[in-house]
Amino acid sequence: GQQVMQIPQYQHVQEGEDFTTYCNSSTTLSNIQWYKQRPGGHPVFLIQLVKSGEVKKQKRLTFQFGEAKKNSSLHITATQTTDVGTYFCARGPNAGGTSYGKLTFGQGTILTVHP
Amino acid sequence: SQTIHQWPATLVQPVGSPLSLECTVEGTSNPNLYWYRQAAGRGLQLLFYSVGIGQISSEVPQNLSASRPQDRQFILSSKKLLLSDSGFYLCAWGRTGNQPQHFGDGTRLSIL
Repeated sequence: GQQVMQIPQYQHVQEGEDFTTYCNSSTTLSNIQWYKQRPGGHPVFLIQLVKSGEVKKQKRLTFQFGEAKKNSSLHITATQTTDVGTYFCARGPNAGGTSYGKLTFGQGTILTVHP
Repeated sequence: SQTIHQWPATLVQPVGSPLSLECTVEGTSNPNLYWYRQAAGRGLQLLFYSVGIGQISSEVPQNLSASRPQDRQFILSSKKLLLSDSGFYLCAWGRTGNQPQHFGDGTRLSIL
């Protein structure tokens, strides 16, 4: 249906290592959004991808949208302790679908960074 | 600019007591409004969303209800809280269903 599967559930890295989280759907996505939630905080919107094959960068963060618009990834280069938190992907409703008006969030990837 | 206010930040309630959490948005009109619950270390569970005054969509059967008495006000309520109602409650707004959502600071609810 409208679910998105996000992997891995947890990721522990040493500071300076890279990190990637993946978001997959069995159906075509109209768009994909990424959010970050710091420990104890609320989710904060990072970026939205709409076009097939789209790649966007925010400093050390690289966001990709698959050619078939069924998957997306968030890659962090050279992680820092400030990157800790939970990263969520979220899919928007497809036109004519029953999920009008809402996003469907993945379960999130919890990132811990060891200094 | 738009802001979202959610209160209280923390709440401790006895089992069986009522609940009322309020969320208000400023700086925009006719927003989509959302209530989520998040268990510790877990994902976001959508509880209710509203695309307009008096319009409430419930996502999961539960002990909670929501109301939207004004355009920029969203209220989460319960007549009798259960232990399972504990969690982190987040209010959010978005311009449409496809647009980014902006979250309030959340309410940590503990049921004793």
